Amino acid sequence: DAGITQSPRYKITETGRQVTLMCHQTWSHSYMFWYRQDLGHGLRLIYYSAAADITDKGEVPDGYVVSRSKTENFPLTLESATRSQTSVYFCASSESLRLAGAQETQYFGPGTRLLVL
Amino acid sequence: QKEVEQNSGPLSVPEGAIASLNCTYSDRGSQSFFWYRQYSGKSPELIMFIYSNGDKEDGRFTAQLNKASQYVSLLIRDSQPSDSATYLCLSQRGGADGLTFGKGTHLIIQP
Repeated sequence: DAGITQSPRYKITETGRQVTLMCHQTWSHSYMFWYRQDLGHGLRLIYYSAAADITDKGEVPDGYVVSRSKTENFPLTLESATRSQTSVYFCASSESLRLAGAQETQYFGPGTRLLVL
Repeated sequence: QKEVEQNSGPLSVPEGAIASLNCTYSDRGSQSFFWYRQYSGKSPELIMFIYSNGDKEDGRFTAQLNKASQYVSLLIRDSQPSDSATYLCLSQRGGADGLTFGKGTHLIIQP
């Protein structure tokens, strides 16, 4: 199916464990993003990628690692999960970030609900 | 620090009326603005974007942008109960460091 998918949709883990959230898009969009959404904070950018093998930090990158070996995939890893990383994680993609209008539109995946005990 | 401010609500509007959602931004370099709708437990979905001063209409939705006053608004005409959701405002300046989401306005359409 075309679009952007995330897996798993729900995850429960324990403090200190490593967790990887997967994101896959079929549009060949150049840009991909990881956000977390928490009550009172809204959507906050964790990491983003402008192309394969190009990644950069967003607003809240601490405790997270990303990679992008293929254009269509952008996994997010929590190296040692903490309770403060309990959140809903959204992956998004867009064609561009520098052309005003439609090509900058971000399309979001369905989200992953992560609970760290 | 770049900020996008939205009234968190809830904003309660009777069915059939016009819902007016507002967003102010601090970064004068912001170029594009997006309105997303997010139902509870779901992901944000695009309603419309605007990057020129003035109004832009799409069906029951109208986005308004005033760069001099640094505000963008979304009007929903003939509001329906299905419009009840949280509406997120996003400003972009070009580049990921120019991405700023507001915290959203919770809209309730009363039947």
